[in-house]
Amino acid sequence: QKEVEQNSGPLSVPEGAIASLNCTYSDRGSQSFFWYRQYSGKSPELIMSIYSNGDKEDGRFTAQLNKASQYVSLLIRDSQPSDSATYLCAVNTRYGNKLVFGAGTILRVKS
Amino acid sequence: DAEITQSPRHKITETGRQVTLACHQTWNHNNMFWYRQDLGHGLRLIHYSYGVQDTNKGEVSDGYSVSRSNTEDLPLTLESAASSQTSVYFCASSESPGGTAETQYFGPGTRLLVL
Repeated sequence: QKEVEQNSGPLSVPEGAIASLNCTYSDRGSQSFFWYRQYSGKSPELIMSIYSNGDKEDGRFTAQLNKASQYVSLLIRDSQPSDSATYLCAVNTRYGNKLVFGAGTILRVKS
Repeated sequence: DAEITQSPRHKITETGRQVTLACHQTWNHNNMFWYRQDLGHGLRLIHYSYGVQDTNKGEVSDGYSVSRSNTEDLPLTLESAASSQTSVYFCASSESPGGTAETQYFGPGTRLLVL
């Protein structure tokens, strides 16, 4: 079992729709969870971090964390073509400041 | 503005040659990381450092080495380049809090081709 799993996609949504990206992790001791966006040929950039169970909202983005189910998700409301990218889920290990990354989900927003 | 830079941005080398990729950050972060990114594998940790003179192996460290002589730099050396090391390499840095992992900030990446 991979430590951090994501559906590779591509996930295709129409412009203006809600995109839902999901991630599961295996280490129950994980405390920090991150969503990064990566455009083709570019480096990952942070979208959201979440540390506590529940929802965290930032503009059109909402991160959701359920530690009991070992599940973290990212919702993008009013999706725009500029949101088309690969979204990486990252989870810390219980030992130190290392992150384990999922393989990423490709999102395509069609206008 | 603080930033993290990598050089070179593109590199072509031959099998068996030694290659060094540079990473420089001006955030004064204690933690620095090297990843490689390949299709289907996402980002995989090669080596990391929590401070000067501290280095640690990641999950794919074979054939790579790092050294940390100051806070700003963590060069990655491929001792004898192999075709399997063709990849995109990212350097990242983060602060060093007491416990919870902090956000990592990434450099622009280096595309390495080993022929």
